[in-house]
Amino acid sequence: GQQLNQSPQSMFIQEGEDVSMNCTSSSIFNTWLWYKQDPGEGPVLLIALYKAGELTSNGRLTAQFGITRKDSFLNISASIPSDVGIYFCAGPFDEAGSYQLTFGKGTKLSVIP
Amino acid sequence: DTGVSQDPRHKITKRGQNVTFRCDPISEHNRLYWYRQTLGQGPEFLTYFQNEAQLEKSRLLSDRFSAERPKGSFSTLEIQRTEQGDSAMYLCASSSSGTPMGTQYFGPGTRLLVL
Repeated sequence: GQQLNQSPQSMFIQEGEDVSMNCTSSSIFNTWLWYKQDPGEGPVLLIALYKAGELTSNGRLTAQFGITRKDSFLNISASIPSDVGIYFCAGPFDEAGSYQLTFGKGTKLSVIP
Repeated sequence: DTGVSQDPRHKITKRGQNVTFRCDPISEHNRLYWYRQTLGQGPEFLTYFQNEAQLEKSRLLSDRFSAERPKGSFSTLEIQRTEQGDSAMYLCASSSSGTPMGTQYFGPGTRLLVL
């Protein structure tokens, strides 16, 4: 099956610092999605990217769709305690027109006040 | 709030029992998805409905699992003869055919523990 590799697996940062995480694939994706999941809750969609090279912001979050269509990154600026959670990249592996999303294993973010 | 809702939020059952979960999608969404998430992993696709038709099923969906969406609105996921390996978070998501492929909105999940 298709795999998305996220790095880092976890990170501890000081409140106010900027954060960067990325996601790579061996296959081309036509859509990249970034979700955040809090403990015991479902993933919440943060940013959706639909075009290679696209750079999209959502408040303090910025994500980019890599030119090769095999990677994406997510940046969080000036982190705050409520940024704590697990960040997942995902994409539809739609080689056959499938709608199923493939997820990475997540980057767990801890923010030290 | 008219997001995706799931019921129950938590379920504890004994091995061998049957369980059923319900998902109510966002009201105007015609596509509905079920995923399973185990500890330390991202969600894994189980099945997908467009309206009432079940169009995709993962190999993870063994014959003990069945999903329905009889009227194209809410959906149920039933697990028969539960096993300890079925313990996981079961997530439902929905999307509209009017939005780009892949833009799925998730519910809060049902956490299942099989003893």
